[in-house]
Amino acid sequence: GESVGLHLPTLSVQEGDNSIINCAYSNSASDYFIWYKQESGKGPQFIIDIRSNMDKRQGQRVTVLLNKTVKHLSLQIAATQPGDSAVYFCAENAGGTSYGKLTFGQGTILTVHP
Amino acid sequence: GAGVSQSPSNKVTEKGKDVELRCDPISGHTALYWYRQSLGQGLEFLIYFQGNSAPDKSGLPSDRFSAERTGGSVSTLTIQRTQQEDSAVYLCASSLGGTVGEKLFFGSGTQLSVL
Repeated sequence: GESVGLHLPTLSVQEGDNSIINCAYSNSASDYFIWYKQESGKGPQFIIDIRSNMDKRQGQRVTVLLNKTVKHLSLQIAATQPGDSAVYFCAENAGGTSYGKLTFGQGTILTVHP
Repeated sequence: GAGVSQSPSNKVTEKGKDVELRCDPISGHTALYWYRQSLGQGLEFLIYFQGNSAPDKSGLPSDRFSAERTGGSVSTLTIQRTQQEDSAVYLCASSLGGTVGEKLFFGSGTQLSVL
């Protein structure tokens, strides 16, 4: 509902602009990182991932950057479109045997204005 | 093919009642996960099933919460004696084999409201 926006970081951009969403993670032992997109009333949808032995990975219109020194992850969306409007979550996995045991950030609301 | 299916999509219950939430994973996926998402928050890990291995229950918040997975497919999350703080969206996800780098596919969740 609308009240979700009162507690989450927000980013508003114009259609066609590039968007950068940032995330700080806490566990230096994390070896796998993922960005998810969540639209209202739906479950999170995988966007892109990166392993800790990489510092950059590109997908279609999206790029993830990983800086292990400062434990920072970012998602760049090129030529942002209204359909990109959603809540974006970063998630980390500390390895071990529970591969799906992810720790999620609180999320960032992206609003794209036509 | 069909994605992860969860039922019911919405559940309203009274404090103290028990509830059961159901998850049908993607066919052929051996790993199944339950997460909880409170209003304005990220997802919180609850429990993880992988094949016939003992589940990782380390995220369950209290002994009122339990989950089972029958026949390696359908899973049920049970919350006994529900409390108002249990109100949240309960999300189920599945993946092919439970290895690093696999995509988790999420259902749309069950919105639980405890009055």
